Amino acid sequence: QSALTQPASVSGSPGQSITISCTGTSGDIGGSNYVSWYQQHPGKAPKLMIYDVSNRPSGVSNRFSGSKSGNTASLTISGLQAEDEADYYCSSYARSTLWVFGTGTTVTVL
Amino acid sequence: EVQLVESGGGLIQPGGSLRLSCAASGFSISTNYMNWVRQAPGKGLEWVSVIYSGGTTYYADSVKGRFTISRDNSQNTVYLQMNSLRAEDTAFYYCARGGSSFSFDCWGQGTLVTVSS
Repeated sequence: QSALTQPASVSGSPGQSITISCTGTSGDIGGSNYVSWYQQHPGKAPKLMIYDVSNRPSGVSNRFSGSKSGNTASLTISGLQAEDEADYYCSSYARSTLWVFGTGTTVTVL
Repeated sequence: EVQLVESGGGLIQPGGSLRLSCAASGFSISTNYMNWVRQAPGKGLEWVSVIYSGGTTYYADSVKGRFTISRDNSQNTVYLQMNSLRAEDTAFYYCARGGSSFSFDCWGQGTLVTVSS
Protein backbone atom coordinates (compact mmCIF):
# COMPACT_ATOMS: atom_id res chain seq x y z
CA GLN A 1 0.00 0.00 0.00
CA SER A 2 1.52 3.34 -1.07
CA ALA A 3 1.85 6.23 1.33
CA LEU A 4 -0.58 9.12 1.03
CA THR A 5 0.89 12.22 -0.63
CA GLN A 6 1.57 15.35 1.40
CA PRO A 7 3.61 18.45 0.53
CA ALA A 8 7.09 18.22 2.00
CA SER A 9 6.87 21.61 3.64
CA VAL A 10 4.44 24.43 4.36
CA SER A 11 5.29 27.72 6.00
CA GLY A 12 3.46 30.74 7.33
CA SER A 13 3.85 33.79 9.53
CA PRO A 14 2.50 33.97 13.06
CA GLY A 15 -1.23 34.59 13.04
CA GLN A 16 -1.72 33.36 9.49
CA SER A 17 -3.63 30.26 8.40
CA ILE A 18 -2.05 27.37 6.55
CA THR A 19 -3.50 24.23 4.98
CA ILE A 20 -1.80 20.87 4.55
CA SER A 21 -3.19 18.54 1.91
CA CYS A 22 -3.19 14.75 1.98
CA THR A 23 -3.98 13.01 -1.29
CA GLY A 24 -4.85 9.36 -1.69
CA THR A 25 -7.12 7.28 -3.85
CA SER A 26 -10.68 6.06 -3.87
CA GLY A 27 -9.39 2.96 -2.09
CA ASP A 28 -8.23 4.84 0.96
CA ILE A 29 -9.14 8.48 1.65
CA GLY A 30 -11.84 8.66 -1.00
CA GLY A 31 -13.64 5.67 0.44
CA SER A 32 -13.09 6.30 4.12
CA ASN A 33 -14.23 8.74 6.79
CA TYR A 34 -11.50 7.42 9.07
CA VAL A 35 -8.93 10.11 8.36
CA SER A 36 -6.75 11.30 11.20
CA TRP A 37 -3.92 13.80 11.62
CA TYR A 38 -0.85 13.67 13.89
CA GLN A 39 1.60 16.31 15.07
CA GLN A 40 5.18 15.31 15.84
CA HIS A 41 7.77 17.59 17.38
CA PRO A 42 11.46 16.67 16.90
CA GLY A 43 12.47 13.74 19.07
CA LYS A 44 8.93 13.26 20.37
CA ALA A 45 6.14 10.77 19.79
CA PRO A 46 3.28 11.69 17.46
CA LYS A 47 0.15 13.27 18.95
CA LEU A 48 -3.38 12.83 17.65
CA MET A 49 -4.81 16.16 16.47
CA ILE A 50 -7.83 15.19 14.32
CA TYR A 51 -9.85 11.98 13.89
CA ASP A 52 -12.83 11.07 11.73
CA VAL A 53 -11.79 13.73 9.19
CA SER A 54 -12.78 16.70 11.33
CA ASN A 55 -13.12 15.79 15.01
CA ARG A 56 -10.73 17.14 17.63
CA PRO A 57 -9.77 15.10 20.70
CA SER A 58 -10.23 16.74 24.05
CA GLY A 59 -7.45 19.21 24.74
CA VAL A 60 -6.55 19.97 21.12
CA SER A 61 -6.82 23.64 20.20
CA ASN A 62 -9.75 24.67 18.01
CA ARG A 63 -7.19 26.37 15.77
CA PHE A 64 -6.80 22.94 14.19
CA SER A 65 -9.50 21.80 11.80
CA GLY A 66 -9.88 19.03 9.25
CA SER A 67 -11.89 18.43 6.11
CA LYS A 68 -12.11 16.10 3.13
CA SER A 69 -13.15 16.39 -0.50
CA GLY A 70 -12.96 13.40 -2.78
CA ASN A 71 -9.57 11.72 -2.47
CA THR A 72 -7.95 14.63 -0.62
CA ALA A 73 -8.06 15.44 3.08
CA SER A 74 -6.84 18.72 4.53
CA LEU A 75 -5.62 20.04 7.86
CA THR A 76 -5.91 23.76 8.48
CA ILE A 77 -4.06 25.56 11.24
CA SER A 78 -5.43 29.02 11.90
CA GLY A 79 -3.77 31.71 13.99
CA LEU A 80 -0.39 30.05 13.45
CA GLN A 81 1.84 30.02 16.53
CA ALA A 82 5.50 29.21 17.08
CA GLU A 83 4.55 26.03 18.96
CA ASP A 84 2.82 24.72 15.83
CA GLU A 85 6.20 24.24 14.15
CA ALA A 86 6.41 20.47 13.77
CA ASP A 87 5.92 17.59 11.36
CA TYR A 88 2.35 16.62 10.50
CA TYR A 89 1.14 13.27 9.20
CA CYS A 90 -2.23 12.25 7.86
CA SER A 91 -3.52 8.70 8.12
CA SER A 92 -6.38 6.80 6.56
CA TYR A 93 -8.02 3.54 7.58
CA ALA A 94 -9.90 1.32 5.19
CA ARG A 95 -10.91 -2.29 5.75
CA SER A 96 -9.08 -3.40 2.61
CA THR A 97 -5.83 -1.52 3.22
CA LEU A 98 -5.85 -1.08 7.01
CA TRP A 99 -3.78 1.94 8.03
CA VAL A 100 -1.78 4.11 5.64
CA PHE A 101 0.16 7.21 6.64
CA GLY A 102 1.01 10.26 4.60
CA THR A 103 4.53 11.19 3.59
CA GLY A 104 4.63 13.96 6.19
CA THR A 105 4.74 17.75 6.07
CA THR A 106 7.15 20.02 7.93
CA VAL A 107 5.45 23.20 9.10
CA THR A 108 7.71 26.20 9.56
CA VAL A 109 6.62 29.35 11.35
CA LEU A 110 8.46 32.26 9.76
CA GLU B 1 -2.82 8.73 33.61
CA VAL B 2 -2.78 6.75 30.39
CA GLN B 3 0.78 5.76 29.52
CA LEU B 4 2.66 3.42 27.21
CA VAL B 5 6.31 2.51 27.76
CA GLU B 6 8.24 0.57 25.15
CA SER B 7 11.42 -1.40 25.78
CA GLY B 8 13.57 -4.03 24.14
CA GLY B 9 15.18 -2.10 21.33
CA GLY B 10 18.87 -2.24 20.52
CA LEU B 11 21.53 -3.16 17.99
CA ILE B 12 21.01 -6.51 16.25
CA GLN B 13 22.70 -8.19 13.32
CA PRO B 14 20.82 -8.88 10.08
CA GLY B 15 18.90 -12.14 10.34
CA GLY B 16 18.61 -11.83 14.10
CA SER B 17 15.59 -11.65 16.38
CA LEU B 18 14.35 -9.15 18.93
CA ARG B 19 11.26 -8.84 21.11
CA LEU B 20 9.82 -5.45 21.93
CA SER B 21 7.55 -4.85 24.91
CA CYS B 22 4.95 -2.15 25.50
CA ALA B 23 3.79 -1.78 29.10
CA ALA B 24 0.47 0.01 29.44
CA SER B 25 -0.88 1.81 32.48
CA GLY B 26 -4.04 3.78 33.17
CA PHE B 27 -6.21 1.55 30.98
CA SER B 28 -6.66 -2.11 30.07
CA ILE B 29 -5.17 -3.40 26.83
CA SER B 30 -7.71 -6.23 26.83
CA THR B 31 -10.51 -3.84 25.87
CA ASN B 32 -8.55 -1.82 23.31
CA TYR B 33 -6.88 -2.59 20.02
CA MET B 34 -3.14 -2.06 20.21
CA ASN B 35 -0.71 -1.22 17.44
CA TRP B 36 2.93 -0.94 16.55
CA VAL B 37 4.00 1.91 14.28
CA ARG B 38 7.58 2.48 13.17
CA GLN B 39 9.60 5.39 11.87
CA ALA B 40 12.98 5.03 10.20
CA PRO B 41 15.37 7.81 11.29
CA GLY B 42 14.46 11.00 9.44
CA LYS B 43 11.59 9.30 7.62
CA GLY B 44 7.81 9.06 7.90
CA LEU B 45 5.48 6.87 9.92
CA GLU B 46 4.65 3.31 8.88
CA TRP B 47 1.94 1.20 10.48
CA VAL B 48 3.31 -2.26 11.36
CA SER B 49 0.76 -4.39 13.18
CA VAL B 50 -2.47 -4.46 15.21
CA ILE B 51 -3.99 -6.82 17.75
CA TYR B 52 -7.70 -6.43 18.40
CA SER B 53 -9.41 -7.05 21.71
CA GLY B 54 -10.71 -10.36 20.38
CA GLY B 55 -7.19 -11.46 19.48
CA THR B 56 -7.30 -10.98 15.72
CA THR B 57 -4.02 -9.71 14.31
CA TYR B 58 -2.95 -8.00 11.09
CA TYR B 59 0.40 -7.01 9.65
CA ALA B 60 1.86 -4.69 7.06
CA ASP B 61 3.06 -6.55 3.98
CA SER B 62 6.63 -5.46 4.74
CA VAL B 63 6.73 -7.51 7.97
CA LYS B 64 4.20 -10.27 7.33
CA GLY B 65 5.64 -13.68 8.12
CA ARG B 66 8.54 -12.21 10.12
CA PHE B 67 6.88 -10.23 12.93
CA THR B 68 4.32 -11.45 15.47
CA ILE B 69 2.23 -9.25 17.73
CA SER B 70 0.88 -10.64 20.99
CA ARG B 71 -0.31 -9.51 24.38
CA ASP B 72 -0.39 -10.57 28.00
CA ASN B 73 -3.51 -9.14 29.59
CA SER B 74 -2.37 -10.09 33.08
CA GLN B 75 0.76 -7.97 32.62
CA ASN B 76 -1.12 -5.33 30.59
CA THR B 77 1.69 -5.60 28.06
CA VAL B 78 1.86 -5.89 24.29
CA TYR B 79 4.77 -7.52 22.47
CA LEU B 80 6.28 -7.49 19.02
CA GLN B 81 8.45 -10.48 18.17
CA MET B 82 10.68 -9.59 15.25
CA ASN B 83 12.52 -12.34 13.38
CA SER B 84 14.71 -12.40 10.28
CA LEU B 85 15.51 -8.75 10.79
CA ARG B 86 16.76 -6.69 7.86
CA ALA B 87 18.59 -3.39 7.58
CA GLU B 88 15.35 -1.78 6.39
CA ASP B 89 13.70 -2.67 9.70
CA THR B 90 15.92 -0.09 11.42
CA ALA B 91 13.53 2.39 13.01
CA PHE B 92 11.99 3.80 16.12
CA TYR B 93 9.15 1.49 17.09
CA TYR B 94 6.15 3.10 18.76
CA CYS B 95 3.36 1.36 20.59
CA ALA B 96 0.03 3.12 20.01
CA ARG B 97 -3.43 2.60 21.47
CA GLY B 98 -6.29 2.40 19.04
CA GLY B 99 -8.75 5.17 19.73
CA SER B 100 -12.04 6.33 18.35
CA SER B 101 -12.66 5.45 14.76
CA PHE B 102 -9.39 3.83 13.87
CA SER B 103 -7.10 6.58 15.08
CA PHE B 104 -4.14 6.28 17.46
CA ASP B 105 -4.91 8.30 20.56
CA CYS B 106 -2.00 7.44 22.84
CA TRP B 107 1.62 6.76 21.92
CA GLY B 108 4.67 5.55 23.78
CA GLN B 109 8.01 7.32 23.59
CA GLY B 110 9.41 4.74 21.17
CA THR B 111 12.32 2.32 21.23
CA LEU B 112 15.08 2.28 18.63
CA VAL B 113 15.91 -0.89 16.73
CA THR B 114 19.10 -0.82 14.68
CA VAL B 115 19.80 -3.71 12.33
CA SER B 116 23.43 -3.65 11.28
CA SER B 117 26.49 -5.86 11.12
